[in-house]
Amino acid sequence: GAGVSQSPSNKVTEKGKDVELRCDPISGHTALYWYRQRLGQGLEFLIYFQGNSAPDKSGLPSDRFSAERTGESVSTLTIQRTQQEDSAVYLCASSPRVGRNSAGNTIYFGEGSWLTVV
Amino acid sequence: AQSVTQPDIHITVSEGASLELRCNYSYGATPYLFWYVQSPGQGLQLLLKYFSGDTLVQGIKGFEAEFKRSQSSFNLRKPSVHWSDAAEYFCAVYTGNQFYFGTGTSLTVIP
Repeated sequence: GAGVSQSPSNKVTEKGKDVELRCDPISGHTALYWYRQRLGQGLEFLIYFQGNSAPDKSGLPSDRFSAERTGESVSTLTIQRTQQEDSAVYLCASSPRVGRNSAGNTIYFGEGSWLTVV
Repeated sequence: AQSVTQPDIHITVSEGASLELRCNYSYGATPYLFWYVQSPGQGLQLLLKYFSGDTLVQGIKGFEAEFKRSQSSFNLRKPSVHWSDAAEYFCAVYTGNQFYFGTGTSLTVIP
């Protein structure tokens, strides 16, 4: 697609429920990233994919968080048994390639999925 | 370890005044550096980037940034701020597999 697309744009869920957030990266982009942004805070790295493998999952806050990616396309971030502290904007981004020789590599963001846990 | 520091959490400037937002990075190799802007309720939009060559880079919306290796800095500047520039600004460094972001600087523009 023309840009990174995320859905849903807004989600209100009850504490304890599971949620799935979807990201459609820019077509052909190898790398895909998930970030979390709490209200008034900076970006917190969660996970990144190179193709459908995840070399770095170090940012996932707990085992309630998981993510997968199909090939070089859609990714889903799943939060199980949501807690109030999970309320945040979840930003997805993609970039054309990875690697230190990737001069010109740039990350492009979606509009985010706003999650509210009540 | 890689890191990005934006020392100013919040800056207020008058419309028409000049602006400088500070960014310092820590990275062992030649960095790839970026500035992004986030308007309220929006995603992040790329303002400009530096990979190599001229250390003064021009971006969109009249912004520019200068890479200073000796100071490990990549400060963002604009000669004359417009009210529509009020937003959150993020500096980032790319290491080849990850993008590391600063905590952001919130810009308020007063008439």
